[in-house]
Amino acid sequence: GAGVSQTPSNKVTEKGKYVELRCDPISGHTALYWYRQSLGQGPEFLIYFQGTGAADDSGLPNDRFFAVRPEGSVSTLKIQRTERGDSAVYLCASSLSAWNEQFFGPGTRLTVL
Amino acid sequence: SQQGEEDPQALSIQEGENATMNCSYKTSINNLQWYRQNSGRGLVHLILIRSNEREKHSGRLRVTLDTSKKSSSLLITASRAADTASYFCARKQTGANNLFFGTGTRLTVIP
Repeated sequence: GAGVSQTPSNKVTEKGKYVELRCDPISGHTALYWYRQSLGQGPEFLIYFQGTGAADDSGLPNDRFFAVRPEGSVSTLKIQRTERGDSAVYLCASSLSAWNEQFFGPGTRLTVL
Repeated sequence: SQQGEEDPQALSIQEGENATMNCSYKTSINNLQWYRQNSGRGLVHLILIRSNEREKHSGRLRVTLDTSKKSSSLLITASRAADTASYFCARKQTGANNLFFGTGTRLTVIP
């Protein structure tokens, strides 16, 4: 079956702009996660959804970051007033539940100029 | 913050040799998952081992878990050039919803 998909694969924006990153999880997966990975580092947790609700947003770095999952499937990560330090690969993962394997999408490489 | 370490940070071996990567962590876990990543993009799930398991196999992969030492190892037997990638262990810590990743081991298999 289809895996986790993310769009766009690359996004270049200017400092101060607003961006939206989209994640399509595996069908039937109720748990969805966003991570951010900087060069040479492992992924760092941002936010976790169980169904439609954000069950844990403790990893969001500040209030410029927000994510939604209105129908319990597709999720959008929104970043306002982007800064150069936001440049990273943003990874989405989904799993059947919080206790199962997490399957990752290919990521969106965000570059803030 | 990320807790735990992968060791070594980089490993270079000849094709056909075995590769062993280690992972240590500091807090109690529900499970530990190993991933492979090529070219800094999507992570491929390899094996999940639960806290009550000691060893799991999948093809040429063997994962062990020692909860008393808070460590895990990934063994890749009969390595191939295509195994060249970064390998991460990710901990599902007790009480947490997400995975905690280390900085990974960069494996290079020389043909």
